[in-house]
Amino acid sequence: ETGVTQTPRHLVMGMTNKKSLKCEQHLGHNAMYWYKQSAKKPLELMFVYSLEERVENNSVPSRFSPECPNSSHLFLHLHTLQPEDSALYLCASSQWRGDEQFFGPGTRLTVL
Amino acid sequence: EDQVTQSPEALRLQEGESSSLNCSYTVSGLRGLFWYRQDPGKGPEFLFTLYSAGEEKEKERLKATLTKKESFLHITAPKPEDSATYLCAVQARADKLIFGTGTRLQVFP
Repeated sequence: ETGVTQTPRHLVMGMTNKKSLKCEQHLGHNAMYWYKQSAKKPLELMFVYSLEERVENNSVPSRFSPECPNSSHLFLHLHTLQPEDSALYLCASSQWRGDEQFFGPGTRLTVL
Repeated sequence: EDQVTQSPEALRLQEGESSSLNCSYTVSGLRGLFWYRQDPGKGPEFLFTLYSAGEEKEKERLKATLTKKESFLHITAPKPEDSATYLCAVQARADKLIFGTGTRLQVFP
């Protein structure tokens, strides 16, 4: 595996389900990010981790819960989501915070 | 308030017809400007980083330039495979990346 990988690529869930998105980077980077991409809107930064420590949380609802167990892995735990949370969720990494970011392919999430 | 505006929203070109995409920004203390390419159903692919006014970078048919207020992505003699959405992002205070909404480019043979 190379670059940034994300699983699953597609996810359909009900409003009462609990699921997790996984991201893994194979680039030896020290910072990881979660973004939300909705149609006709700019990418929205959700969370930033630097050296496994959360350094930014952009007013994201508590139904989204990130976890960074080590510098290569990042999770986004989802529970009791709303239909408006349907979007493409992108993971990215960079050597250090502020450097150019490299993105994974994204998880297309649909909340019914 | 930090802001990034890209224009046009969509652009249709004939193969070989050169053009430019614009990224205007308002940000306090620009630390860097990034261009990305995004294909449908995929994550953004990094293209360029520009740090200071007057800087230029090139890659194949693409050239990015930067002034104090805007950046241009020039596409010379585009091919159908250049069709994608091109995203601009600026790095402002505390390394936060602010993205524009993108320009959707379609190149027809």
